[in-house]
Amino acid sequence: AQSVTQLDSQVPVFEEAPVELRCNYSSSVSVYLFWYVQYPNQGLQLLLKYLSGSTLVKGINGFEAEFNKSQTSFHLRKPSVHISDTAEYFCAVSHMDTGRRALTFGSGTRLQVQP
Amino acid sequence: ETGVTQSPTHLIKTRGQQVTLRCSSQSGHNTVSWYQQALGQGPQFIFQYYREEENGRGNFPPRFSGLQFPNYSSELNVNALELDDSALYLCASSLRWVEDEQYFGPGTRLTVT
Repeated sequence: AQSVTQLDSQVPVFEEAPVELRCNYSSSVSVYLFWYVQYPNQGLQLLLKYLSGSTLVKGINGFEAEFNKSQTSFHLRKPSVHISDTAEYFCAVSHMDTGRRALTFGSGTRLQVQP
Repeated sequence: ETGVTQSPTHLIKTRGQQVTLRCSSQSGHNTVSWYQQALGQGPQFIFQYYREEENGRGNFPPRFSGLQFPNYSSELNVNALELDDSALYLCASSLRWVEDEQYFGPGTRLTVT
């Protein structure tokens, strides 16, 4: 079975500061990895995904994430955050070989950007 | 190109009742997945429909059932509602496989009293 752990439930940060949201996963097979963002009263929006190839993945809104197979991590980073980045962020995985139908999500990290 | 829409936005039901939630897929998408998001948690996969057939199911009891129609819109039905069914229900439309981007609707907030 696969699982996703987001170590921080809340991350407060000042505007224009860098931020890292941590995600670790466990799976016995190769996985695809995703980060989604959820703004208040909205559905989830894909930020970025890792399927194969370069371990550094760039996404929308200036976010990037690095896949580290040895540490089974897929941390999300942004060098300078804005107030508008305040939202809930979810890391998700899916099996590459079987069950390529569903996402397993972490419990989420609430990013709170303060002026 | 229209996005994924869900109806109703909010719903209040009594324990033991039945509920039907609806989802309209994004144009060109033949797959719909349903997720349950309890307060303060990440979404949990309920099931997926591909071309009107159930194509995978998560760890949910049979009282959670669904349909997909020829136009690829979908319904989620929940029978014998329990208090723990209170959650945000999200649908996502996509092409067949999960590596294709899933487009999520805004969700239906279900409250069971």
